[in-house]
Amino acid sequence: EVQLVESGGALVQPGGSLRLSCAASGFTFSSYDMSWVRQAPGKGLEWVSAISHNGGTTYADSVQGRFTISRDNSKNTLYLQMSSLRAEDTAIYYCAKVPGGHWYFDLWGRGTLVTVSS
Amino acid sequence: EIVMTQSPATLSVSPGERATLSCRASQSVSSNLAWYQQKPGQAPRLLIYGAFTRASGIPARFSGSGSGTEFTLTISSLQSEDFAVYYCQHFTNWPLTFGGGTKVEIK
Repeated sequence: EVQLVESGGALVQPGGSLRLSCAASGFTFSSYDMSWVRQAPGKGLEWVSAISHNGGTTYADSVQGRFTISRDNSKNTLYLQMSSLRAEDTAIYYCAKVPGGHWYFDLWGRGTLVTVSS
Repeated sequence: EIVMTQSPATLSVSPGERATLSCRASQSVSSNLAWYQQKPGQAPRLLIYGAFTRASGIPARFSGSGSGTEFTLTISSLQSEDFAVYYCQHFTNWPLTFGGGTKVEIK
């Protein structure tokens, strides 16, 4: 089955760090660009970061310098290292697969909740 | 940054009726536009890409149109499973941005 499964979400204090993971299965992970998209409670979708199949990265201004996206193609896993977390980072974080060539998303995970609060 | 604006915020429609959702870009995105459906507690699902191409498994009652800065998602005859929130997203350049969403609710 083609799927993405996120994990690692938790309650963390402001200024803290967290690493999210996204396990991919059912497709050749190493061939595809990937991304993280988040959704604050009751709000819309916000693109966070992207990584190409060969490791090139890009970030939203709101997370630039605080978040790092990476991938381990040998483990079919996407990561998001989050540091200096703020209350406004509270959201469900989705990983999403790019079908190829253009940066829209044809497969989404179910998401993992990150709550930043003291 | 390209700002995506969706209207209306909420659309009340009776089952079987047509729904027309709008998405406007602050500058041209050519045909680099996707539409997603999101139901409560679920991840978004890709409906349309390239402004008018239906994704795999998407029923023909969903259609997309437009180019440049003005786009439309039409649901020709609303079914019960179509009541959800719909988002547009451009993929012309960085950063990728989404519209604020249109909630389609039962009238």
